[in-house]
Amino acid sequence: DGGITQSPKYLFRKEGQNVTLSCEQNLNHDAMYWYRQDPGQGLRLIYYSQIVNDFQKGDIAEGYSVSREKKESFPLTVTSAQKNPTAFYLCASSSGTDGYTFGSGTRLTVV
Amino acid sequence: SQQGEEDPQALSIQEGENATMNCSYKTSINNLQWYRQNSGRGLVHLILIRSNEREKHSGRLRVTLDTSKKSSSLLITASRAADTASYFCATRGAQKLVFGQGTRLTINP
Repeated sequence: DGGITQSPKYLFRKEGQNVTLSCEQNLNHDAMYWYRQDPGQGLRLIYYSQIVNDFQKGDIAEGYSVSREKKESFPLTVTSAQKNPTAFYLCASSSGTDGYTFGSGTRLTVV
Repeated sequence: SQQGEEDPQALSIQEGENATMNCSYKTSINNLQWYRQNSGRGLVHLILIRSNEREKHSGRLRVTLDTSKKSSSLLITASRAADTASYFCATRGAQKLVFGQGTRLTINP
């Protein structure tokens, strides 16, 4: 079955530590996206990539970094520069202008 | 920046009743989409309506779009307990979707 997989489901980060969230899709979609969701809030765009080896900043890119070396993969690194990283992170992919397919999310908590 | 604004923020109705959620946006769009999110899960795409369409149906869902008023509505008919979730509208511009804050829908048995 085609889909989009995020891992891990839960992640704990210590102060000053970088962590990487995984996002893999087998839908052959060109575009991939990372969103952040805070409790009771909507989704805010962190980074997006329309094609391999290219990506653009979204609305809240500070403290995050991404890479797009393969079509199937779009990992997100939450760096120590992100001062308030506790949130629910959602990865999505799309083809053209139709609907997005979302992963099941990674819940990141600072301990 | 979040372009879509849903109204109401929360809605609680009895099972079997109809639920209506509204979305307003600010700039021109390519299409408008509605998504559902169950608690702690990812979003699921429900329906897409293009800027040249006025109404679209999918099962118990009916979406309308009024580009002159920059607004859309989502109607869920004959609601069920399983419809309890948050519903988001999202507007599609040139490159990406922009999501609103969502409407939290609770269906009471």
